[in-house]
Amino acid sequence: DIQMTQSPSSLSASVGDRVTITCQASQDISNSLNWYQQKPGKAPNLLIYDASNLETGVPSRFSGSGSGTDFIFTISRLQPEDIATYYCQHYDNLPYTFGQGTKLEIK
Amino acid sequence: QVQLVESGGGVVQPGRSLRLSCAGSGFTFSSYPMNWVRQAPGKGLEWVAVISSDGISKYYADSVKGRFTISRDNSKNTLFLQMNSLRADDTAVYYCARAYNYWGQGTLVTVSS
Repeated sequence: DIQMTQSPSSLSASVGDRVTITCQASQDISNSLNWYQQKPGKAPNLLIYDASNLETGVPSRFSGSGSGTDFIFTISRLQPEDIATYYCQHYDNLPYTFGQGTKLEIK
Repeated sequence: QVQLVESGGGVVQPGRSLRLSCAGSGFTFSSYPMNWVRQAPGKGLEWVAVISSDGISKYYADSVKGRFTISRDNSKNTLFLQMNSLRADDTAVYYCARAYNYWGQGTLVTVSS
């Protein structure tokens, strides 16, 4: 199985900051990677697919990059409503494992 | 609009069974593979199972293989998860998901004596 290592596990930042989360796959997954936002008590919400494509309706301050084994998720200017936990997930082959999550808090 | 509504969760004793349902609407249900994903309280997301659009191909996480069965009834736009031999570590919110861009609201399964 492919392991997804996400870091950091938690992050505190100020409104307006640039925030970066990384996800590393244990083997080459090409660009088969999703990024999700999950708010407490809610289902995950897909933000980025194919590593760098913005899902329809998602604000442009969210972006993703990378391919192969190393991926980056960025929020260009943090907003208060971005407080959530963020997850990466590969879909190169089954099982489609998730990263451990990054809990983002406002400083 | 696309809607996925799970049902069937509840409190069940270890070793017992439970069947979850996920009703889809607003899209051509029979055209899409469907997934179950779960989240234990305070923990991360865990992919559980996937079924092909025609219901023929099914894949499971090792943690549930042999105990859980995914199925679908395309005539009723409904996805199922039959969970047998339940254990305490199966306690979680169970989500159904279509291609990961549409998710249900989740249904809580608590395995406890």
